[in-house]
Amino acid sequence: TQLLEQSPQFLSIQEGENLTVYCNSSSVFSSLQWYRQEPGEGPVLLVTVVTGGEVKKLKRLTFQFGDARKDSSLHITAAQPGDTGLYLCAGRGGAGNNRKLIWGLGTSLAVNP
Amino acid sequence: GAVVSQHPSWVICKSGTSVKIECRSLDFQATTMFWYRQFPKQSLMLMATSNEGSKATYEQGVEKDKFLINHASLTLSTLTVTSAHPEDSSFYICSASQGFTEAFFGQGTRLTVV
Repeated sequence: TQLLEQSPQFLSIQEGENLTVYCNSSSVFSSLQWYRQEPGEGPVLLVTVVTGGEVKKLKRLTFQFGDARKDSSLHITAAQPGDTGLYLCAGRGGAGNNRKLIWGLGTSLAVNP
Repeated sequence: GAVVSQHPSWVICKSGTSVKIECRSLDFQATTMFWYRQFPKQSLMLMATSNEGSKATYEQGVEKDKFLINHASLTLSTLTVTSAHPEDSSFYICSASQGFTEAFFGQGTRLTVV
């Protein structure tokens, strides 16, 4: 069974601070996605990483996919209150997985003004 | 990105009644749709995977007779919660994919059973 461990589970920081969220697994994923979800809404896709070692930037957000495609990180620079939300990572398994996503438990981020 | 519309956004029903939730892919054909349940501040829990024209595959512990899933077309899947009880109150979310790497999500449905 593929598992995706996400940490930390909760994070409360002050505006302007930096933070990193991690997703780790012992399994290899063909791709990994990061989502952000606000209360009462569905998750919104932020990025998909596919290649080992890949780095993608989305304004103040930097996403990395591990060389072995087993782990990923999300780094937010100079966090703002608008970044508050639930961040979820999800990995897609290899062949024969029926395109099912394996989900991390989520990181609930609160950025205080 | 692709758009997935889920309806209704919220519903309140009496205990013992059934509720149907619709999930539509608006600008692409979704060969696979997923139904999730989510508790407050927790991650998504996959309930079932449905492929167009075939029976849904339910995750372990999910009652298929209680949560009826129909995926009759490439743009529509429905989840019916039958004989709902207060413990079924939750946030239900669908997602759809077409062999893309990504899965696109609906807005979610807040079900409250009173």
